[in-house]
Amino acid sequence: EDQVTQSPEALRLQEGESSSLNCSYTVSGLRGLFWYRQDPGKGPEFLFTLYSAGEEKEKERLKATLTKKESFLHITAPKPEDSATYLCAVQPNSGYSTLTFGKGTMLLVSP
Amino acid sequence: DAGITQSPRHKVTETGTPVTLRCHQTENHRYMYWYRQDPGHGLRLIHYSYGVKDTDKGEVSDGYSVSRSKTEDFLLTLESATSSQTSVYFCAISESARDYGYTFGSGTRLTVV
Repeated sequence: EDQVTQSPEALRLQEGESSSLNCSYTVSGLRGLFWYRQDPGKGPEFLFTLYSAGEEKEKERLKATLTKKESFLHITAPKPEDSATYLCAVQPNSGYSTLTFGKGTMLLVSP
Repeated sequence: DAGITQSPRHKVTETGTPVTLRCHQTENHRYMYWYRQDPGHGLRLIHYSYGVKDTDKGEVSDGYSVSRSKTEDFLLTLESATSSQTSVYFCAISESARDYGYTFGSGTRLTVV
């Protein structure tokens, strides 16, 4: 059974205070690892896909990295508008490859 | 959300009544998914479709059925609603199983009283 564990559950940062969110996973063959952002009352919004260990992707203040057992979402000099819940999901390399999601990390960035 | 709409956005229903939620897409994507999101559980897959009339069960399919008679529409039916089905329901679409990510709808907040 595929499993995704995200930590911490919640994180409060001051504006400009860099940090990282963690996503640990177990999957029987990884096709892809996905990061999403979700704002209150809205559906998740796609951020990144990582396919192999060592891969990195960047978008504005966000950088996602991948190892064989976990992924990190690094947030550099965050702004209040980065406040959201960040979701991690894995896609197995079999069948129709539906996504299994973690419970998310709720990030709050204070000015 | 561009290309995918869910209806209704909010619904309150009574225990024991059937309820149908609709997901409509204009992207002509092959794959469609229904998830529910609950505090402490995250997003959990209910059912998914890999083509017209082709559907399969997800992790939490008990008490739910789906139908897909057209590419653009994927219906989720709660056969006899229970309070445990109070949740936010999200529909998602993808172009292929090996996609770059799902596109999610805005969700339907369902309350069963």
